[in-house]
Amino acid sequence: GNSVTQMEGPVTLSEEAFLTINCTYTATGYPSLFWYVQYPGEGLQLLLKATKADDKGSNKGFEATYRKETTSFHLEKGSVQVSDSAVYFCALSGGSQGNLIFGKGTKLSVKP
Amino acid sequence: DAGVIQSPRHEVTEMGQEVTLRCKPISGHDYLFWYRQTMMRGLELLIYFNNNVPIDDSGMPEDRFSAKMPNASFSTLKIQPSEPRDSAVYFCASSFWGPSGNTIYFGEGSWLTVV
Repeated sequence: GNSVTQMEGPVTLSEEAFLTINCTYTATGYPSLFWYVQYPGEGLQLLLKATKADDKGSNKGFEATYRKETTSFHLEKGSVQVSDSAVYFCALSGGSQGNLIFGKGTKLSVKP
Repeated sequence: DAGVIQSPRHEVTEMGQEVTLRCKPISGHDYLFWYRQTMMRGLELLIYFNNNVPIDDSGMPEDRFSAKMPNASFSTLKIQPSEPRDSAVYFCASSFWGPSGNTIYFGEGSWLTVV
């Protein structure tokens, strides 16, 4: 069945460091791919998405490229800020079911 | 748009009591989801509806849990009787299946503590 694997955290970085959070997936067909972010005490918010191979989703300085050949959707940001501290979830959708399959989440802590 | 609205935001209840969580999805969305989040299990899909009809309830833990969607703008998740292991954050989410696929929007969650 469809599944998402993302790197385990926590990830701790200094402000202005480069961020990569790895995400790979297993799916039949052509799923859409998503990154969601959850700030402390809040619900999940859509950060970015990509709906087909080679698409790049971007938002708030974060980027991820849908790589079908490596079945990956790694999240990157060139210079993280303390305010980026949160839990990041990779997810995929596909087929006609309408639901999303989430990874386990990666907690990011950014230190000043 | 107001987004997905959940109530209550926080609830503390005693073991054995009935708990009802409520959700108003985004207007025009035809899918509604209930998720549960705990430290141990992460984010779990409990049940989802399409056009008010339950499609998959395989994630509902046991018979103590039930969910309804009487109309397109309202859903409830009920736990009766509640137990301490039900303590978690319960998220409602909604989506619309469009030409570019399906994007799910989450509410802020209902933080449940059963003592």
